[in-house]
Amino acid sequence: DVKVTQSSRYLVKRTGEKVFLECVQDMDHENMFWYRQDPGLGLRLIYFSYDVKMKEKGDIPEGYSVSREKKERFSLILESASTNQTSMYLCASNGRREGREQFFGPGTRLTVL
Amino acid sequence: AQSVTQLDSHVSVSEGTPVLLRCNYSSSYSPSLFWYVQHPNKGLQLLLKYTSAATLVKGINGFEAEFKKSETSFHLTKPSAHMSDAAEYFCVVTRFQKLVFGTGTRLLVSP
Repeated sequence: DVKVTQSSRYLVKRTGEKVFLECVQDMDHENMFWYRQDPGLGLRLIYFSYDVKMKEKGDIPEGYSVSREKKERFSLILESASTNQTSMYLCASNGRREGREQFFGPGTRLTVL
Repeated sequence: AQSVTQLDSHVSVSEGTPVLLRCNYSSSYSPSLFWYVQHPNKGLQLLLKYTSAATLVKGINGFEAEFKKSETSFHLTKPSAHMSDAAEYFCVVTRFQKLVFGTGTRLLVSP
């Protein structure tokens, strides 16, 4: 069974803080993804990585950065958190072949005060 | 560009009646399509996927979807709703290595 874990289920931070969200997958997947989920907007892709130390911007990368130093771990970084980054953050992974479904972690609900 | 449109933000049914969640897609090539389900306070779970084999795809929990190229649709159906089906459902299309999500349909099931 594929397992994608995220470091926190709930997180509360203050405006201006640096925030790290961690994601780990145990299936040796090449691709990893970070999304944010907001009511009425579905899931929107922030960043993805198709290999160690590789990253590509998704649809809404502004205000975020990522790090992938090891194949199994993909971190999302909010350099200076703002209230409009309050959201549910979902991590996912899949293998490289085109058309493969993604496997999702449970999500981190981040609140920025 | 690949995109999906979920035609209903909310669908309400009674337990035991059929479920229809509508999805239209746009793709410049033959796409892979998925339906994911998200139960309250749970992660996303794959319900079913279409990858250019059979056009009628069967998924978990009695759900199925039919790929209709002529109508660019991939509607999700279930003959008889159960209370446990209450959740949010997302229609998804592939865009190269990425997924493009619809905005979701919340299914409400009343006794």
